[in-house]
Amino acid sequence: GAVVSQHPSWVICKSGTSVKIECRSLDFQATTMFWYRQFPKQSLMLMATSNEGSKATYEQGVEKDKFLINHASLTLSTLTVTSAHPEDSSFYICSAQRFGSYNEQFFGPGTRLTVL
Amino acid sequence: RKEVEQDPGPFNVPEGATVAFNCTYSNSASQSFFWYRQDCRKEPKLLMSVYSSGNEDGRFTAQLNRASQYISLLIRDSKLSDSATYLCVVNSLRGGGATNKLIFGTGTLLAVQP
Repeated sequence: GAVVSQHPSWVICKSGTSVKIECRSLDFQATTMFWYRQFPKQSLMLMATSNEGSKATYEQGVEKDKFLINHASLTLSTLTVTSAHPEDSSFYICSAQRFGSYNEQFFGPGTRLTVL
Repeated sequence: RKEVEQDPGPFNVPEGATVAFNCTYSNSASQSFFWYRQDCRKEPKLLMSVYSSGNEDGRFTAQLNRASQYISLLIRDSKLSDSATYLCVVNSLRGGGATNKLIFGTGTLLAVQP
């Protein structure tokens, strides 16, 4: 149990376009989902925390109008990178916290975004 | 100062060697501690949680020293398949403890050589 999927696994887009990434908890309900970004040779950096039915909480330095997060159900959160630019190219990883599980996060396989 | 600090390595060791990774954290209020493993271009996977009393899982031993804010991971009898980046992860509480936030170290790269 506790499987998290992400779609797409990779995407290449032109500068200025928007890209939507989906994160799904397949076999459990996730009260909270987290979005991370990882640049080459760097660690995962938390971008935002999203709770089902409420606005996401963004980390300092992360533009909420650029990285739109929607957590419409207990099994789905989406991250939309609006007007993507080459500097947004990165590995985006989501994780989900199972309802009733305080500490444990289950990670999706990540989405590699390349903006040309 | 980074919240979680690790030696980036790389650690190049022969098969069968014992290798130790260290990590320090700055937030004394942190409650939970983990070691994750991340293979190249993959998501991190939980290797083990770290408890104050120390815990062992096969060839892996993790220890926590709260007084020194120090965490360690020991790998015995290294295998080629152990080659990966090992991430030290500490939780940080927010919102009155309602939400936990994981803080990742930059990771230590281990390369086990045949």
